[in-house]
Amino acid sequence: DAKTTQPNSMESNEEEPVHLPCNHSTISGTDYIHWYRQLPSQGPEYVIHGLTSNVNNRMASLAIAEDRKSSTLILHRATLRDAAVYYCILRGLGKLIFGQGTTLQVKP
Amino acid sequence: KAGVTQTPRYLIKTRGQQVTLSCSPISGHRSVSWYQQTPGQGLQFLFEYFSETQRNKGNFPGRFSGRQFSNSRSEMNVSTLELGDSALYLCASSLEIAVYNEQFFGPGTRLTVL
Repeated sequence: DAKTTQPNSMESNEEEPVHLPCNHSTISGTDYIHWYRQLPSQGPEYVIHGLTSNVNNRMASLAIAEDRKSSTLILHRATLRDAAVYYCILRGLGKLIFGQGTTLQVKP
Repeated sequence: KAGVTQTPRYLIKTRGQQVTLSCSPISGHRSVSWYQQTPGQGLQFLFEYFSETQRNKGNFPGRFSGRQFSNSRSEMNVSTLELGDSALYLCASSLEIAVYNEQFFGPGTRLTVL
């Protein structure tokens, strides 16, 4: 079965870039890679998604390895409001696989 | 545009009882998904509905069921509650059921089973 593996926690300094890794070595060819984040006492919030090519939006960038077995969510300048649990998710036909999430701490 | 709403926000039940949770999607969204979140298991997918039909189902026992109405609102039901059913139940809506669609989550219903 496909699954995603993420580090339990990471730390970053404010205003610095953050690279959050995700391993999904058993990904299928049609699975999309989604990233969501969850702030305390809130439901998850969409961040970004991609299939094969790197993606950018106003919140973050997603770098996808050429073999698609791993990806990295990049926050270009972390702020205190970016402190959250970040989930790497595989979404395919009839399938939705969540990782355990990475708790990101941002230090001022 | 109003976000996804879930009612009730908090619920306390005892073992053996049943519970019904409600979810109202964002206006115009036709797909609704349900998730269970616990400290031990993290986020787990329960089921997904589109056009009043269950399209996908996670690995949960038959005590967990759901339905979707013609206005896209959805309910999930848990019968014969167990202590392990204590969790945050999240509902998410999206425009369509496509795997590339962004999902919008509600704040969740916190269920405590005593």
